[in-house]
Amino acid sequence: SQKIEQNSEALNIQEGKTATLTCNYTNYSPAYLQWYRQDPGRGPVFLLLIRENEKEKRKERLKVTFDTTLKQSLFHITASQPADSATYLCALDMGSTLGRLYFGRGTQLTVWP
Amino acid sequence: EAGVAQSPRYKIIEKRQSVAFWCNPISGHATLYWYQQILGQGPKLLIQFQNNGVVDDSQLPKDRFSAERLKGVDSTLKIQPAKLEDSAVYLCASSLGNTGGEFGKYFGAGTRLSVL
Repeated sequence: SQKIEQNSEALNIQEGKTATLTCNYTNYSPAYLQWYRQDPGRGPVFLLLIRENEKEKRKERLKVTFDTTLKQSLFHITASQPADSATYLCALDMGSTLGRLYFGRGTQLTVWP
Repeated sequence: EAGVAQSPRYKIIEKRQSVAFWCNPISGHATLYWYQQILGQGPKLLIQFQNNGVVDDSQLPKDRFSAERLKGVDSTLKIQPAKLEDSAVYLCASSLGNTGGEFGKYFGAGTRLSVL
């Protein structure tokens, strides 16, 4: 079965710096890889999606890369702000018609002023 | 645009009791999902509906969990009888796409269940 590892449970950085979160997976490469943000007591919020044939995707201050050779995705938040503090989840879809997502445990990001 | 609505937000029950959760997805979203999120873990899919039909319930503990989606809109998830290990947040999500992972999923705030 697919195993998903997110680099660390917690990441603390200073405001203005770039936060880099890692998502590693075993076995087969997914057809799609998605990133979500989750705040305490709330459901996950969809941020970005990247396809297996894409290397990079950007949205405002967010950037996602996808390396199928390393079996890894990196999620970057540039010019980070305290409001970016949350748990970030990566999720893999293996491309079946069902669209089932396999979620990692998440990385809790804290941006301090 | 209204988001995914779920109720109740919190529920405390004793083991062996039954409980039901309700979900109203985003209007026009054909696909509806129920996820279970245990503290410190990522969400795990329990069941997926396409309109009012079940397309994936392989991870649903069918001896105690059941779900339905009448008329292809609202959905209810029921647990009967509940066990201590069912304590978790139950998340409902909907998606515009009929199939595949190329559409992001939109989650409700969830129902936090505590089984004592």
